Amino acid sequence: AQSVSQHNHHVILSEAASLELGCNYSYGGTVNLFWYVQYPGQHLQLLLKYFSGDPLVKGIKGFEAEFIKSKFSFNLRKPSVQWSDTAEYFCAVNANTNAGKSTFGDGTTLTVKP
Amino acid sequence: GAVVSQHPSWVICKSGTSVKIECRSLDFQATTMFWYRQFPKQSLMLMATSNEGSKATYEQGVEKDKFLINHASLTLSTLTVTSAHPEDSSFYICSATSGRAYEQYFGPGTRLTVT
Repeated sequence: AQSVSQHNHHVILSEAASLELGCNYSYGGTVNLFWYVQYPGQHLQLLLKYFSGDPLVKGIKGFEAEFIKSKFSFNLRKPSVQWSDTAEYFCAVNANTNAGKSTFGDGTTLTVKP
Repeated sequence: GAVVSQHPSWVICKSGTSVKIECRSLDFQATTMFWYRQFPKQSLMLMATSNEGSKATYEQGVEKDKFLINHASLTLSTLTVTSAHPEDSSFYICSATSGRAYEQYFGPGTRLTVT
């Protein structure tokens, strides 16, 4: 079975600070990886995804993530956060054999102070 | 594109009654829909996977007789919480995939409160 671990439960940053949120997964086979964001009062939205190819993927709003297969990691980064990035961030993984069934991490709450 | 809606967005019901939640893909055909439950400050817990025209596949620990799922068409799946109890109060979220690279599109969620 696949599992996802997000090590940072709550991150507090000032505007313009750099962000890195950790995500590790456990699964021996080929996986698809996702980062979702949930802004206060809104539903989940896809930030970015990795299926294959270049392990550095770029998403919306200046976010990027790097897939490091040897470390089973898919960390999310943003060089300079804004107050509007305050939200809950979820890492998710699904296996190619699972037809889209994803496992989510526990989420990281990001608070950006203006 | 790829919009998923849920109805109702918020419902209060009395203990012992049943509640139906609808999930619709508005501008695409959803080969698979997923139902999640989210507790406050917690992650999404997958309850079941629903494919059009077939029985839903429930995750371990989820009572299939309590959480009835029907996927009648490629654009509609319903979750019925039967004989609801206060512990069923939660945020229920559906998602849909068109099968294209397993990208899920999420609905806005339904807040269920059982009194």
